[in-house]
Amino acid sequence: QQQVKQSPQSLIVQKGGISIINCAYENTAFDYFPWYQQFPGKGPALLIAIRPDVSEKKEGRFTISFNKSAKQFSLHIMDSQPGDSATYFCAASRSGTASKLTFGTGTRLQVTL
Amino acid sequence: DVKVTQSSRYLVKRTGEKVFLECVQDMDHENMFWYRQDPGLGLRLIYFSYDVKMKEKGDIPEGYSVSREKKERFSLILESASTNQTSMYLCASSRDRVNQPQHFGDGTRLSIL
Repeated sequence: QQQVKQSPQSLIVQKGGISIINCAYENTAFDYFPWYQQFPGKGPALLIAIRPDVSEKKEGRFTISFNKSAKQFSLHIMDSQPGDSATYFCAASRSGTASKLTFGTGTRLQVTL
Repeated sequence: DVKVTQSSRYLVKRTGEKVFLECVQDMDHENMFWYRQDPGLGLRLIYFSYDVKMKEKGDIPEGYSVSREKKERFSLILESASTNQTSMYLCASSRDRVNQPQHFGDGTRLSIL
């Protein structure tokens, strides 16, 4: 049973464009939604995270949009750069579970020149 | 900086062998996790531990066991390796506070022949 669904599986964006990755969750007890970024040969690293009491969080070129009623959240990368080429994972967890995360299946982003 | 070190980057073993994957973290984190990463399936939690000698099953524990004798070290054990356990294995650690980020090692690519 996949509790966090992520799309698309892969994405090609031109330099300067906007990259958008979407996730949907089923468990309404989730209350923490991080995004992780993984470069080839490396482990995932936390990029940005949001709690459901806000609808949007922005850090530099990266923005999370959150829609609690639809149980969806998305990552927007503005002015995408070749250095953003990586695999992105959305995840979700609920308080009191020792930070146990449920991950989406990942999106491989390629930013072309 | 948090460092999570996995003992091997690449490992090749034969079916039926007992395989040990080792993970060490240097930040005194309470929680430690083992995931496997497969294309199209994302990161799936095998086991996690929230304290020394404590362990909890994740989503796919079958065929695996774990050991945590010291706070900084978390071992994943494949009791009798099978070809369907060929995968990338990722270790992570986190503080035992609400919504703490997980810090990942760079993974062990395990091939079972």
